[in-house]
Amino acid sequence: GAVVSQHPSRVICKSGTSVKIECRSLDFQATTMFWYRQFPKQSLMLMATSNEGSKATYEQGVEKDKFLINHASLTLSTLTVTSAHPEDSSFYICSTYSEPEAFFGQGTRLTVV
Amino acid sequence: GQNIDQPTEMTATEGAIVQINCTYQTSGFNGLFWYQQHAGEAPTFLSYNVLDGLEEKGRFSSFLSRSKGYSYLLLKELQMKDSASYLCAVMDSNYQLIWGAGTKLIIKP
Repeated sequence: GAVVSQHPSRVICKSGTSVKIECRSLDFQATTMFWYRQFPKQSLMLMATSNEGSKATYEQGVEKDKFLINHASLTLSTLTVTSAHPEDSSFYICSTYSEPEAFFGQGTRLTVV
Repeated sequence: GQNIDQPTEMTATEGAIVQINCTYQTSGFNGLFWYQQHAGEAPTFLSYNVLDGLEEKGRFSSFLSRSKGYSYLLLKELQMKDSASYLCAVMDSNYQLIWGAGTKLIIKP
């Protein structure tokens, strides 16, 4: 099956700094990558959908200037949390779809102090 | 609106059987997924149903009734390692996954 590699798995950063999360598809070309955020004891919440070579589509309520998504190649999508604040602390997961499954990265636990 | 409902938490005994239900209301239907998620980890794929009926895979089975907007995940011969959250997700007409909040399954010895 498809493999999605996400890094880093954990990151602690200071408030006001930026953090980049990478997702790589290792054995197939991911034209679409989904970025989710999951708060404790809650479901996955779709933040944005990135398509290779075009601008990402953001869900309502997600600040596109704060969560920068780049999908410059078929194997790499990145999410940058800019000017992070403690309320941005969450579990971020990338995912792509290769019929009939959705494949997930390992997730990134972001803690902003 | 789109909605996925599943129980928040269930408790079962090691060696027993448990059924986790999921009901959905979505704009279109392109399949229903069950995922297992251990705390602090990404979800892992368990099953996919697009046609009515039962899909069996080892100790896990998943059932779908499209007319009723209903699915269940059946876990047999429960093991302690099955303690996790189980997420139900439906792919809508735009091929977007709509996720339930997950059912936390607690297995007791």
